[in-house]
Formats: sequence, C-alpha cells, structure tokens
Amino acid sequence: DIQMTQSPSTLSASVGDEVTLSCRASQSIHSWLAWYRQKPGKAPHLLIYQASSLESGVPSRFSGSGSGTEFTLTISSLQPDDSATYYCQQYNSYPWTFGQGTKVEI
Amino acid sequence: EVRLVESGGGLVQPGGSLRLSCAASGFTFSNYEMSWVRQAPGKGLEWISNISRSDITTQYAESVKGRFTISRDNAKNLLYLQMKSLRVEDTATYFCASGGSYLSHWGQGTLVTVSS
Repeated sequence: DIQMTQSPSTLSASVGDEVTLSCRASQSIHSWLAWYRQKPGKAPHLLIYQASSLESGVPSRFSGSGSGTEFTLTISSLQPDDSATYYCQQYNSYPWTFGQGTKVEI
Repeated sequence: EVRLVESGGGLVQPGGSLRLSCAASGFTFSNYEMSWVRQAPGKGLEWISNISRSDITTQYAESVKGRFTISRDNAKNLLYLQMKSLRVEDTATYFCASGGSYLSHWGQGTLVTVSS
C-alpha cells in the first residue's frame, strides 16, 4: 500500500496568514492526489484534485502543487472558516489511501 | 444540488450484519463511480470500497474484503454496503461519496457501532 504522510500534524496561525501543508507519498503517485477539508462533525469537502486542479466553487485562496512524492496545499489568506482538519488522498493505485490529517487552528 | 443521504447505521453485536444505503439525488447517478469511506471515532479517513458506473467492477480495502459487499441500483439511485461478520474495529461513521478516484461529493455519514 502507498503510505501518505502529512506534516505538520497541527498548525496554529492567524487570520490573513499564508499557510502551507505538506503531504508525502511513499512512492510516486504522479499527480493523482486530492485534498479535502473536514470541519468537526461534518463530512469532508473536496478542495483540490489531480494535485493542482481547484474544485468548482472552492475559493481561490486554496492552491495545490507537487508531483511524484511531494505535494503541498497552500491557503493564501487564512479565514476563520478554514479552521478544520485537512487530508490528502492518493488515487494512483489501490487501495486509495489518506494521510493522517493536518489540523489547522486559528 | 447534489445530495447523498446515508442510512442503515446503528448498534450491532460482533459477528452481526448490517446493510447501509445511500440515496443519491441532484445528479445522474448512473454516470458516476461511487465509493464508501469510513472514519473511526476521533480518527482519520479510510477508503473501503468503490464500484463502477455499471456495477461490474468493485474494489475493496483488505480490512473489509470478503466481509463487505458494495452494490448499486441505478434505477433507484441507490448505493449499498452490505456488511457481515462485523468486528469491534468496524465501528465508524460510514460516508458514501461520488467518484471512484477523487471524491467530489459526500453524504453526512451514518454511524455504525459494533459492540456487545
């Protein structure tokens, strides 16, 4: 199985900050990576697919980059609504696997 | 508006069975692969299964292979997860989601608790 490792586990920042979340795959997944945001008690919500494609309706302050084994999610200007846990997910090969999550505290 | 609504969760004893359903609306259900993902209390996300548009191809995580069966009824816009031989470690909120690779839309989840 492909292991997905996210860092940091927790991130504290202020409104307006630019933050970068990292996700590393145990082997190349090309660009087959998605990012989700999950607020407490809610379902995950797709932000980014294919490493850098912004899902329709997602604010442009979210951006994704990377390929191979190293990926990042950047939030350019943190908003109070962004307080959540963020997960990366690879869909290069089965079983699809998620990272353990990065909790963003504002 | 895309809507996915799971149902069928509840309390079941170890070794028992349960069938989850996911009612889809707001999109052409038969055009999309569908998936199940679960989340144990306080833990991360675990993909467990997906199914092709025509119900021909299915995939499973090793943790549920041979015990869980995914299926769909495109005429009724319903996705199912039949769960057998349930274990304590299957306790989780189960989400259905549209998509067989990245997961575009998610339901609110249904809680399955396996306990004696």
